[in-house]
Amino acid sequence: NAGVTQTPKFRVLKTGQSMTLLCAQDMNHEYMYWYRQDPGMGLRLIHYSVGEGTTAKGEVPDGYNVSRLKKQNFLLGLESAAPSQTSVYFCASSWTSGGGEQFFGPGTRLTVL
Amino acid sequence: GEDVEQSLFLSVREGDSSVINCTYTDSSSTYLYWYKQEPGAGLQLLTYIFSNMDMKQDQRLTVLLNKKDKHLSLRIADTQTGDSAIYFCAESIRDYKLSFGAGTTVTVRA
Repeated sequence: NAGVTQTPKFRVLKTGQSMTLLCAQDMNHEYMYWYRQDPGMGLRLIHYSVGEGTTAKGEVPDGYNVSRLKKQNFLLGLESAAPSQTSVYFCASSWTSGGGEQFFGPGTRLTVL
Repeated sequence: GEDVEQSLFLSVREGDSSVINCTYTDSSSTYLYWYKQEPGAGLQLLTYIFSNMDMKQDQRLTVLLNKKDKHLSLRIADTQTGDSAIYFCAESIRDYKLSFGAGTTVTVRA
């Protein structure tokens, strides 16, 4: 099992460019999440999904869109990147029962110039 | 709203015990978690405690929960250089979401 994987690992964008971050999990988890991590601020939830075909806003959704067309994939899109979106992005997934442990991917480091 | 607070830095000598503290706000949290993040990596679950427990021990790790004060702590016994990392406290909120603290950077010195 690969667990949770993210592509790409690094990316540099110019202001106004668009890109999509891909998250994939092979654990048959229902729930998937996108977070951003900024120094001194911990992890903040951008969007999440409670199942295939569903998405919901988290704490900081503005400037991002998501899609969950397949259960194993959760895509995060930036339509028009801004320097404020420079961050490390983490994807996570979890079951719908038990301790609710979230399993994290290795992260994508995004720089917007 | 949900707010998890923890101190940002902790320096400890190798072999000593480390204690990382955390306060949370949502009294309905079912589970509380400690995650570890090593440099350049994602978060890994260290341990978690169910809200009806006061203490949980797992090898070198001891978690204490004071539900009245909404206070959670993680004690690492015999701290090693491999324990240097950022430690995040998190509480479960609705829809299986987690609310994370800012993270405590633990530095182990020889």
